[in-house]
This record gives sequence, structure tokens and C-alpha cells, in this order.
Amino acid sequence: QSVLTQPPSVSAAPGQNVTISCSGSSSNIGNNYVSWYQQLPGTAPKLLIHDNKKRPSGIPDRFSGSKSGTSATLDITGLQTGDEADYYCGTWDSSLSAGGVFGGGTKLTVL
Amino acid sequence: QLQLQESGPGLVKSSETLSLTCTVSGGSISNTDYHWGWIRQAPGKGLEWIGSISYSRTTYYKSSLKSRVTISVDTSKNQFSLKLSSVTAADTAVYYCANWVANKAYFHHWGQGTLVTVSS
Repeated sequence: QSVLTQPPSVSAAPGQNVTISCSGSSSNIGNNYVSWYQQLPGTAPKLLIHDNKKRPSGIPDRFSGSKSGTSATLDITGLQTGDEADYYCGTWDSSLSAGGVFGGGTKLTVL
Repeated sequence: QLQLQESGPGLVKSSETLSLTCTVSGGSISNTDYHWGWIRQAPGKGLEWIGSISYSRTTYYKSSLKSRVTISVDTSKNQFSLKLSSVTAADTAVYYCANWVANKAYFHHWGQGTLVTVSS
């Protein structure tokens, strides 16, 4: 069981928009920055979003992040077939067992 | 741009110690802006944060692994390492190293990962 909760899968057609949610608690998302990672099949994860909504250099603005309270979302607009991947949210958990935590991952299928 | 590369045995026997090294290029491992971390991914599963080490060698470990994990830094070689003792089949995974921006809690640059299989 992951500390952060994501839907196992989402799907949409090319050109459409999709939202991936990440739910946590006050000990993690509620009081820490959220990041998002894209993992294409057979490759290492790649940072998409950090500091809740900032994009590293080279990440297209089709990808955007937001945070409200103890939840965060990743929005992808104008879906492309190359966006088909697993997406993970991550943050720090400040509870007694403090450490980095990830969501269970969401498989995005571009139909 | 930072580049990271994991290295180490791909097969470890059950009850023994898994040892991996991450070589950093394109920047200094002594850079005070970064910490250095390990993440693993069991076959078909999600990402699991293992731990991290700062430039001052302060370590943070996942609580459930704390008794078996050691992360260390070798500044002379621009490398950091992971040791996981008393491994079992449950430790079979792809292990990634990455640089950890600790004050913002994210991994920026990742290695390509290395599969470690624990055999009985």
C-alpha cells in the first residue's frame, strides 16, 4: 500500500486532456512540495514537475501540476501517443517514519 | 548536465549483501545543493524510496529498511554507494540512483537503473 494514492489507470484519445490525481495527508502533501515523474516503458523515470507546479527545462507546457490541501494533480493537455507511460507523484513524509514517498503510479493509455 | 550511472552485481544470493555504486559525472558530488539517493522498483511494481545522503553525510533511510541499509559517499571518486544486507527475493528490483533536491523533495537526474536479482 502506497502512502500516496493514485488511480491505477486513466485513458483518453489523442488530442484530449487528462488529469491524474494524487491524494495524501497533512504529513506529506499537505506540508511538503509535490513532484511528478513520467516513466516510459523500459526506461528510468523522468522528472516532469517539481515544487508542485514548476517544469524543468525541456518539459513542454502541455504538462502542468497543482496542489490543494492534501491532494495534487497532474494535467496533460493535447495528448500524444508518446505520452503513454506510467506517472508517479512523490513528496516527503514528515511523520515518525519520515522519508520520501511515492504514489502507486498511474498507467496512462492513449487510445 | 548531471549524469548518473549505477554499477554492481546483477545477481546476489539470498541472505548476502547487495552492493551498488553510482558514479556521478557532469558535476561534483560535493555540491551543497544536492543530496544523493536510491530508489528501487520491483518487477511490475511502483517506485520505492530507499534513502538519501547529504553532502555532510547525513543519511535518511526508509523506516522499514533502516536496519539493513547503508548509503555512503566517496568524494574522491565522485561516487555514492548503497549496501543492503540480508537480502531476500523481495529485494529483487531495478535499483536507480538519482540526485535528490532535499529542500524541495524531488529527484532531478536519474541513472538508467540496474536490475538486481536475489537468488536462493
